[in-house]
Amino acid sequence: GENVEQHPSTLSVQEGDSAVIKCTYSDSASNYFPWYKQELGKRPQLIIDIRSNVGEKKDQRIAVTLNKTAKHFSLHITETQPEDSAVYFCAASRGTGRRALTFGSGTRLQVQP
Amino acid sequence: SQTIHQWPATLVQPVGSPLSLECTVEGTSNPNLYWYRQAAGRGLQLLFYSVGIGQISSEVPQNLSASRPQDRQFILSSKKLLLSDSGFYLCAWRDNQNTEAFFGQGTRLTVV
Repeated sequence: GENVEQHPSTLSVQEGDSAVIKCTYSDSASNYFPWYKQELGKRPQLIIDIRSNVGEKKDQRIAVTLNKTAKHFSLHITETQPEDSAVYFCAASRGTGRRALTFGSGTRLQVQP
Repeated sequence: SQTIHQWPATLVQPVGSPLSLECTVEGTSNPNLYWYRQAAGRGLQLLFYSVGIGQISSEVPQNLSASRPQDRQFILSSKKLLLSDSGFYLCAWRDNQNTEAFFGQGTRLTVV
């Protein structure tokens, strides 16, 4: 099955700096890669996703890049703000939605004001 | 629009007691349904998934079970809880287009 590894496990940045979180996946057939943000005690919520036919996607301060050859993808947050502090999860899946998303272990991002 | 309901929000149960967590989805038919568990400060571990009524796939051996008695209802159960069953349980659904998963509000279970 799919295995997703995520690092770093914790990341502390100063407000205004950029943050980068990286994930690798094992199943070369995976073709959908979402990123979720989970605030303390809340449900994970999608912030951005990318499919394997695209190398990069951007939404305001958030961007995701995908390298299919190397089987890794990254989340980039620019101009970080204190409200960006949360746990971020990457995930991967293939085929139809009948398959579950496999999640990384999460990154706790702390943005220092 | 689609919504997912999960209850209860919090639960404190003694060791050896039974468990039943319920999840329902509205606004869609034939959803793919999932139960995940999140231990404190850890990632999301897939426990069960279901692609249709009565169809359950288990991802990890454990003393938990799942059932799908109706198209949009997914239940997580245990006959006898263990201390190690404590955690944050999340129900989720996806459609068949390989898009995002939508999560319920979660149930924080503490086994004492």
